[in-house]
Amino acid sequence: NAGVMQNPRHLVRRRGQEARLRCSPMKGHSHVYWYRQLPEEGLKFMVYLQKENIIDESGMPKERFSAEFPKEGPSILRIQQVVRGDSAAYFCASSPNWDSYNSPLHFGNGTRLTVT
Amino acid sequence: AQSVTQLDSQVPVFEEAPVELRCNYSSSVSVYLFWYVQYPNQGLQLLLKYLSGSTLVESINGFEAEFNKSQTSFHLRKPSVHISDTAEYFCAVSDRLIQGAQKLVFGQGTRLTINP
Repeated sequence: NAGVMQNPRHLVRRRGQEARLRCSPMKGHSHVYWYRQLPEEGLKFMVYLQKENIIDESGMPKERFSAEFPKEGPSILRIQQVVRGDSAAYFCASSPNWDSYNSPLHFGNGTRLTVT
Repeated sequence: AQSVTQLDSQVPVFEEAPVELRCNYSSSVSVYLFWYVQYPNQGLQLLLKYLSGSTLVESINGFEAEFNKSQTSFHLRKPSVHISDTAEYFCAVSDRLIQGAQKLVFGQGTRLTINP
């Protein structure tokens, strides 16, 4: 049973370019979370999605960032016009349903974004 | 608002020595507490969790943590560490009352280094 798959593992973008990060949740999981880890900091919640719905985006920056989880295919975190401050590790996590603590979050290995 | 403070950013110990990683939280409602471990270049893995019941929880690899409501703490301990325990450890809290039940608030992390 494959775990949460994120790609690419490493992504380098120049300032002003777009970054697209992909996340395929574990099989049978319909809930996806995106977290960002800035250097020397803990993970910060960004957004929580279910299929075709954004449930909670309270941690998303107001501009340039967007996320989707379509009916088919992976969840996508999109960052437009990247700046150096966007350099971080972006982690995706999935869970089978929203109210079960017996099913902990399963994290992917992350995408490390470097903006030059 | 919830917050988590991990008092030590780095903890170096010798192999087979005991270790305690400290975690304090603040929350105005009932909380659920977690410890995650992150090995180099990997995602986070759940180590143990407190949901309810016994305040002492254990993991399969010898770690334990005790929920202390009066001191708002959830310190992680291991009586004898091994080289393979070298990793970064994150304490996290979740508030079940919010819509995204797995929306975790993480501490800054503690880097545990085991020296031979």
